[in-house]
Amino acid sequence: QTVVTQETSLSVSPGGTVTLTCGLKSGSVSTSHLSTWYQQTPGQVPRTLIYDTNTRSSGVPARFSGSILGNRAALTIVGAQAEDESDYYCALYVGGGVSVFGGGTRLAVL
Amino acid sequence: EVQLVESGGGFVQPGGSLRLSCAASGFTVSSNYMSWVRQAPGKGLEWVAIVYSGPGSTYYADSVRGRFTVSRSTSQNTVYLQLNTLRPDDTAVYYCGRAPHIDHPIDWGQGTLVTVSS
Repeated sequence: QTVVTQETSLSVSPGGTVTLTCGLKSGSVSTSHLSTWYQQTPGQVPRTLIYDTNTRSSGVPARFSGSILGNRAALTIVGAQAEDESDYYCALYVGGGVSVFGGGTRLAVL
Repeated sequence: EVQLVESGGGFVQPGGSLRLSCAASGFTVSSNYMSWVRQAPGKGLEWVAIVYSGPGSTYYADSVRGRFTVSRSTSQNTVYLQLNTLRPDDTAVYYCGRAPHIDHPIDWGQGTLVTVSS
């Protein structure tokens, strides 16, 4: 069973930079995992931020970017704003048509 | 404009069945990768199933394989998720998602709630 790991919680100051990561309990994340990042506020539908590692979804501000950092996928927010306080989820394609979500990171902007 | 509208959720007893529908507009379901993702109350997102474009190969999470079936109708431009042998831990909001040849949803529906309880 594939386990995708994310930080449980992170915080960032308004205007600051924060990097959220997404890894595999066993193995390294690469572009072949097609990492996708979602933002979700309580009670709302998830919003797609980044797909296929580093492609920004339509309408997503440029302060959000995706990459591979070392052996993990990463979502970086440069110039965090109050409205970025949300839950963030990553999804990885793990092969055989199957994908797995990470447990999510709760980001506080304070 | 891409739109996804789920329906079919509701209350069902353990062991029961439901069929969820995801009506699509603004694109053709058979030309896209159509996914189902669920979220239990207060929990994170869980990938459930996908039907690929073209011939429509289907794949499932271990937790639902053998109990859930994803299908699509070209004439109705709709994707379905048949849920059988339901268990209380299947209680969740079920989201339909779409992406052009990417395994993860880019566009999302509003979700439909399934509650499994005796």
